[in-house]
Amino acid sequence: EIVLAQSPGTLSLSPGESATLSCRASQTLTKNYLAWFQLRPGQAPRLLIYDASSRATGVPDRFSGSGSGTDFTLTISRLQPEDFAMYYCQQYHTSPWTFGQGTKVEIK
Amino acid sequence: QVQLVQSGAEVKKPGSSVRVSCTASGGTFHSYAISWVRQAPGQGLEWMGGIIPTRHTTDVAERFRGRVTITADESTSTAFMSLSSLRYEDTAVYFCARHGDYPTYHSAMDVWGQGTAVTVS
Repeated sequence: EIVLAQSPGTLSLSPGESATLSCRASQTLTKNYLAWFQLRPGQAPRLLIYDASSRATGVPDRFSGSGSGTDFTLTISRLQPEDFAMYYCQQYHTSPWTFGQGTKVEIK
Repeated sequence: QVQLVQSGAEVKKPGSSVRVSCTASGGTFHSYAISWVRQAPGQGLEWMGGIIPTRHTTDVAERFRGRVTITADESTSTAFMSLSSLRYEDTAVYFCARHGDYPTYHSAMDVWGQGTAVTVS
């Protein structure tokens, strides 16, 4: 199965700063079949980015995705209070459709 | 706009089974793949399996094969996930999610149910 390694495990930042989250796949994801999700306590996951760099409907433009092959990045610019949450990458290239272990973005 | 509404919380004994439902409203159901994902307390997201109703096909992660059954009733736009031989470590919130764009898993999960808490105690 494809293993997704996210780093760092935790990011401690202040509102207004930028966050850079990494996701590395154990195999090449052709067609960039990679998504990013935000997960807040008690809520369902929210799709932010699909196909590595396309923003989902209604997602603010401070969220951006980049990368290809095995290395992918989620960038959150100008962190807002509601952005402090868990973030997961997920591949839909090969079954089983695996998730990374997550990155926590916390308030410094 | 399609919404996925899941059944309510469950408390089960070890060794028993649980069935969680996921009903689509406001849109078509059978044209998409539906996946089941869980999150145990303090853990990350884990894909369990899925179904493509229009193709009558299912795909279950290897670690859940033999314990997970996924079905769909197109007449009620409802998908079901049954988990048998429950263990304490199956305590988790279970989500259903729709893969957007045609009946394929090669699409991001763009619509999610609200989650169903299953407690094994």
